Amino acid sequence: GQNIDQPTEMTATEGAIVQINCTYQTSGFNGLFWYQQHAGEAPTFLSYNVLDGLEEKGRFSSFLSRSKGYSYLLLKELQMKDSASYLCAVRDNYGQNFVFGPGTRLSVLP
Amino acid sequence: DTEVTQTPKHLVMGMTNKKSLKCEQHMGHRAMYWYKQKAKKPPELMFVYSYEKLSINESVPSRFSPECPNSSLLNLHLHALQPEDSALYLCASSGTSGSPETQYFGPGTRLLVL
Repeated sequence: GQNIDQPTEMTATEGAIVQINCTYQTSGFNGLFWYQQHAGEAPTFLSYNVLDGLEEKGRFSSFLSRSKGYSYLLLKELQMKDSASYLCAVRDNYGQNFVFGPGTRLSVLP
Repeated sequence: DTEVTQTPKHLVMGMTNKKSLKCEQHMGHRAMYWYKQKAKKPPELMFVYSYEKLSINESVPSRFSPECPNSSLLNLHLHALQPEDSALYLCASSGTSGSPETQYFGPGTRLLVL
């Protein structure tokens, strides 16, 4: 079966650092992806991991541990515009199916 | 060009209408997807086309009918929809299977069924 879990909501302060966790149990694995989605808009790609370790892209970093079925997205120097939903998605072995987690709604407060 | 386009942006239809959603990409991607997304929920996979052939159909009701006329185009034909089908319909494309490439999403069509 496919199961991906994320916290439903998080709140953080402008300028702070926040870590959004994602745990997964899927029948196959060919990469874990993080997307940002503002209300009423399409998801936009942030980061992906296919090997264990940390990937850094500016203010955003993503970490993966395949043995633990665990990933996190780290957002630094939070800005008000970072208020959005953050979706964790796993791509299956055949590469055709992306299974999405429930998403984490992040609110950044002044 | 990493753009996926979708038309129309908004659609209002009655339960007896027939309409079509269109999606286009020119990134050479050979996998194209239709998702349905309700408010405050993640995207829910409906269909996957790989090399212009339907490869995944997630038990979607027959009132939704996908079509892939060529490698750049993807349609979703709608007929006799129900009010609960009102949602944001997202199209996406990705690189060939086996490659850890991401999906690129279109802006979506916001559908309201009356």
